[in-house]
Amino acid sequence: KAGVTQTPRYLIKTRGQQVTLSCSPISGHRSVSWYQQTPGQGLQFLFEYFSETQRNKGNFPGRFSGRQFSNSRSEMNVSTLELGDSALYLCASSADRGTDTQYFGPGTRLTVL
Amino acid sequence: QKEVEQNSGPLSVPEGAIASLNCTYSDRGSQSFFWYRQYSGKSPELIMSIYSNGDKEDGRFTAQLNKASQYVSLLIRDSQPSDSATYLCAVEGGATNKLIFGTGTLLAVQP
Repeated sequence: KAGVTQTPRYLIKTRGQQVTLSCSPISGHRSVSWYQQTPGQGLQFLFEYFSETQRNKGNFPGRFSGRQFSNSRSEMNVSTLELGDSALYLCASSADRGTDTQYFGPGTRLTVL
Repeated sequence: QKEVEQNSGPLSVPEGAIASLNCTYSDRGSQSFFWYRQYSGKSPELIMSIYSNGDKEDGRFTAQLNKASQYVSLLIRDSQPSDSATYLCAVEGGATNKLIFGTGTLLAVQP
């Protein structure tokens, strides 16, 4: 089976812009979780989607949003970018529950200037 | 108290030695536990999962779980330089129904 894919792999944006990241889960997996990873904070949970519905949400401002499509592919959007949003954004897929074994994609490295 | 705690390291061990990585968690209701390895600049990759008290072995890796003490560990036998990475402990967040990650322990295996 193909693994989790994420696009784009690298992004450079400026403050105030918005960005959309994409994630395709492993075939047959229905749950997609998003994480932000920074050197100081480690892996921080953003949200989880299952069957096109947000099932769980972390403690991030409303500028961070996401959605899931009928084919389980997911996107996350960050509006009004801030310097502190610079991070590695990781998507993970799991078969059913977000607490099942999660398999990570390669990540999108976002740099905000 | 953090939900999942790990010593940030670095933990330095000589090649061929046993590396012991530890993790404690706060939610007594947690049932699923995972160890991930993350090389610098790469995404986390799953090493092992463990759900029951006791030991679980997979090749050179052994995960140990003690729910009474809220403690999970990972032993790496015959450590190799290629094992040098950050090891992340992840715990099912009980009532929160999400995985909580520790900040990771950096392991350095010296040739």
